[in-house]
Amino acid sequence: DAGITQSPRYKITETGRQVTLMCHQTWSHSYMFWYRQDLGHGLRLIYYSAAADITDKGEVPDGYVVSRSKTENFPLTLESATRSQTSVYFCASSWGSTYNSPLHFGNGTRLTVT
Amino acid sequence: GESVGLHLPTLSVQEGDNSIINCAYSNSASDYFIWYKQESGKGPQFIIDIRSNMDKRQGQRVTVLLNKTVKHLSLQIAATQPGDSAVYFCAEKTSYDKVIFGPGTSLSVIP
Repeated sequence: DAGITQSPRYKITETGRQVTLMCHQTWSHSYMFWYRQDLGHGLRLIYYSAAADITDKGEVPDGYVVSRSKTENFPLTLESATRSQTSVYFCASSWGSTYNSPLHFGNGTRLTVT
Repeated sequence: GESVGLHLPTLSVQEGDNSIINCAYSNSASDYFIWYKQESGKGPQFIIDIRSNMDKRQGQRVTVLLNKTVKHLSLQIAATQPGDSAVYFCAEKTSYDKVIFGPGTSLSVIP
């Protein structure tokens, strides 16, 4: 779906490096989310944002930083990448927090930390 | 703790048959449920949702059934097609920061 795009699609980085994953949505959705997907753990919430300049931790926030200066962008930064952060990262957005506002996902960024 | 699980991790069905994917949830406070389909190399795609005040909801070739008594959710796909082959996730939502995904079940359609 072209409404939410993630970049890059693939990234290889070394342990200790800083890396930023980008997420952009064109729907003007208020809510945005970052998930990681790992075998055996399914989709786990890292951080979420209810609006510009409002962010909060999810289930697995350690080692990650987010910002949201504009409604349409929600970058995720790994400050010092570790091998355990090798994963597929999905950004998602939704218009509301209550009923009938399912998450809409991007196609993911596959990150490998060597 | 809270959990959403699936009875069957894999499911193989013949093309043209109906598919049923089951899901159990443990949080009785959950009030909104969603089914997602994930194809290889793509993000989860919204299929259908249902609120807790409903028992059944139908979409195009898909039906979701909710049994709150036994905390069970199912997705029925009619006349399964090869394009339906994917991993299916159920998810429960109690608030915007609490969307819990099940581990997923893989549906394989046999031509």
